[in-house]
Amino acid sequence: GDSVTQMEGPVTLSEEAFLTINCTYTATGYPSLFWYVQYPGEGLQLLLKATKADDKGSNKGFEATYRKETTSFHLEKGSVQVSDSAVYFCALRAGAGSYQLTFGKGTKLSVIP
Amino acid sequence: DTAVSQTPKYLVTQMGNDKSIKCEQNLGHDTMYWYKQDSKKFLKIMFSYNNKELIINETVPNRFSPKSPDKAHLNLHINSLELGDSAVYFCASSQGQGGTYEQYFGPGTRLTVT
Repeated sequence: GDSVTQMEGPVTLSEEAFLTINCTYTATGYPSLFWYVQYPGEGLQLLLKATKADDKGSNKGFEATYRKETTSFHLEKGSVQVSDSAVYFCALRAGAGSYQLTFGKGTKLSVIP
Repeated sequence: DTAVSQTPKYLVTQMGNDKSIKCEQNLGHDTMYWYKQDSKKFLKIMFSYNNKELIINETVPNRFSPKSPDKAHLNLHINSLELGDSAVYFCASSQGQGGTYEQYFGPGTRLTVT
């Protein structure tokens, strides 16, 4: 079945450090890929998405590129802020016609001043 | 103006009780979902309804019963609550299965069973 594997957390970075959160997936067909963010005490919000190979999703300084050859969708940000502290989830939707999102286990990011 | 709302936000109850969580979306979406997030933050789909019809029903104890009175509402009723039901339950909605397919999540209901 479909699955998403994220790097284990928690990740602690100093402000302005470079962030990478690794995400790899297993799916049949051509999935769409997503990064969601969950701030403390809140629900999930879509951060960015990519629907086909080589697409780059970007939002709020975060980027991720859909790499079909390595089945990866790593999240990056050049300079993190304290306000980026949250749990980040990688997810996939397996092809057109699929309603279901499959989530990774989440990576908690803490950014310290 | 909340897009996806859930009530209650917190629910503390004893084992064996029956409780309901309500979800409403004002986005005009036709598909709604229930997710369970455990203490390790792992998110798992429980149910999904499209136009009031059940389309996803994962391996969930039959003590859990979703009900969708209309496209804007998806409630979750839980019978005979157990300690292991303690979790945060998220409702979400989306518009169909095509297009951008973004799921919008509610703020969650933290259920504690004592």
